[in-house]
Amino acid sequence: DVKVTQSSRYLVKRTGEKVFLECVQDMDHENMFWYRQDPGLGLRLIYFSYDVKMKEKGDIPEGYSVSREKKERFSLILESASTNQTSMYLCASSLVDTSYGYTFGSGTRLTVV
Amino acid sequence: AQTVTQSQPEMSVQEAETVTLSCTYDTSESNYYLFWYKQPPSRQMILVIRQEAYKQQNATENRFSVNFQKAAKSFSLKISDSQLGDTAMYFCASADNYGQNFVFGPGTRLSVLP
Repeated sequence: DVKVTQSSRYLVKRTGEKVFLECVQDMDHENMFWYRQDPGLGLRLIYFSYDVKMKEKGDIPEGYSVSREKKERFSLILESASTNQTSMYLCASSLVDTSYGYTFGSGTRLTVV
Repeated sequence: AQTVTQSQPEMSVQEAETVTLSCTYDTSESNYYLFWYKQPPSRQMILVIRQEAYKQQNATENRFSVNFQKAAKSFSLKISDSQLGDTAMYFCASADNYGQNFVFGPGTRLSVLP
């Protein structure tokens, strides 16, 4: 069964910590995405990548960075976690042609205290 | 820029009944793609149904069907014979002709009551 795997389901971090959220897909998809999901706001795109070592800013990139050293892995980095980054983080992947839709991971619920 | 609106934040339906979730969108593209995703309490977002805008025929997947009204830019989801496992957040989404600019609506929380 093909899938997108997010390394942590729940994560609690302290303000100021550097946080890594990992995402791995086994579908040989070119595209990978990081979204943030908050109640009433839906899904907001943080960063995406169309290829290895390539990244593009989404709608809300401030306070985040990403790394894609291998095709199957896309990491989201919070350089200095803040309480307003407490949220659900969803990783997704897709073919080059995203008209077939995305495949999502199960999400990481991050709490910054 | 594309936008997607879901005007019903929450809905409920009795088990075995039919429910319709609303979605409207705005796009300047002549061709595009529309999607409904389901996110159950387990949090895994699952693609429910996909519609290509240039196809007139409404997409259907088992108990799930859409009413695609291109002129009105409306894309509603009908769930027939609702089951307890249909309880979830439902997100409407659109993508442009090149499959880019994927945009999600804010979601509708559906509760199926026994």
